[in-house]
Amino acid sequence: TQLLEQSPQFLSIQEGENLTVYCNSSSVFSSLQWYRQEPGEGPVLLVTVVTGGEVKKLKRLTFQFGDARKDSSLHITAAQPGDTGLYLCAGDANNAGNMLTFGGGTRLMVKP
Amino acid sequence: KAGVTQTPRYLIKTRGQQVTLSCSPISGHRSVSWYQQTPGQGLQFLFEYFSETQRNKGNFPGRFSGRQFSNSRSEMNVSTLELGDSALYLCASSLGGLNEQFFGPGTRLTVL
Repeated sequence: TQLLEQSPQFLSIQEGENLTVYCNSSSVFSSLQWYRQEPGEGPVLLVTVVTGGEVKKLKRLTFQFGDARKDSSLHITAAQPGDTGLYLCAGDANNAGNMLTFGGGTRLMVKP
Repeated sequence: KAGVTQTPRYLIKTRGQQVTLSCSPISGHRSVSWYQQTPGQGLQFLFEYFSETQRNKGNFPGRFSGRQFSNSRSEMNVSTLELGDSALYLCASSLGGLNEQFFGPGTRLTVL
């Protein structure tokens, strides 16, 4: 069974601070995705990383895929209250794109 | 373009009953995946259907079943409900392959 460990589980910070969320596994994934979920809604895809060592930027969010494709990180610069939500990493377990293994999630609260 | 819709949004059942949840994918999407989300276990993959055939199955008991119709709409059924089946059930649709999955808002099932 492929598992994804996310840390931290909870994070409460002030507006303007930086933060990093980690997603680690002992297994290799063909690709890794990051989602954000808000209360009452399903997860929304933020980014997909597929190449070891890959770095992708989405405005103030920076995503990195580890060289060995076993871990990933999400860094948010100058967090804003609108960034509040549940952040989930998910790995593609069978390289088919439709059977995702999710991490436990990081619940982020950004206070104004 | 309408998103993924799930009905009903909320459901309350008692132990021993059975329940059927419905998912209408985005028009043109042929793959529908189902996930269970609980505070303790997080998001876990249930099964995936593509063109009316189950392609992948997660590690859930046989009480959990599903099907897909020719118009790609999907249903999942849980028989002999247990208290531990209380969860948010999410479905996601995609074109298939490595294409992005789009999640619906989920059905919140409470088993009393």
